Amino acid sequence: QITLKESGPTLVKPTQTLTLTCTFSGFSLSTSGVGVGWIRQPPGKALEWLALIYWNDDKRYSPSLKSRLTITKDTSKNQVVLTMTNMDPVDTATYYCAHIDTVTIIGAFDIWGQGTMVTVSS
Amino acid sequence: SYVLTQPPSVSVAPGQTARITCGGNNIGSKSVHWYQQKPGQAPVLVVYDDSDRPSGIPERFSGSNSGNTATLTISRVEAGDEADYYCQVWDSSSDSYVFGTGTKVTVL
Repeated sequence: QITLKESGPTLVKPTQTLTLTCTFSGFSLSTSGVGVGWIRQPPGKALEWLALIYWNDDKRYSPSLKSRLTITKDTSKNQVVLTMTNMDPVDTATYYCAHIDTVTIIGAFDIWGQGTMVTVSS
Repeated sequence: SYVLTQPPSVSVAPGQTARITCGGNNIGSKSVHWYQQKPGQAPVLVVYDDSDRPSGIPERFSGSNSGNTATLTISRVEAGDEADYYCQVWDSSSDSYVFGTGTKVTVL
């Protein structure tokens, strides 16, 4: 059974850097085709894809946020970390991590974490 | 960047059929995935690759994709289907994943 769980601060100040951790179980990020992505959702708004890292350490970023994002993985700890710099109140959102398997279901996030709410305020 | 447009809301009576559209330039050439999100919960994949269902998703959920429009169809709608629905594709030109604007389905 695949599970993912997001963790990190619930409140950050403007201009600070946000660091979120996705801890997962039930799969390995060293398995060919597997990836973990980050998606966020501001209150009452739509989902927005942020970043994704694949089993081979290949990384993809949202073009509009690329300059602010870094995604890394620690295969031994079953964790994926997302950092977002220069946080602004408009970045207030629920942040989700999600599993993707490009072998079985290409291009779709089939299992999601519960999400973690991050508020940006001074 | 690639844009996916959905109607903000769809209303349907119980037992009837709900159709949710997702418009995008030549979306028929892409694989479309659909997610259901109930209030306070994480999204759940209900249709992938235009028309396939993950295990555990009722047959009432089906999808199609052609030209500039993809459609999620919910047959024999139940009260429990009330949720927000999002379409999603991978856009090769920008090498990025794109979500639609979302549609709120209300069961009357």
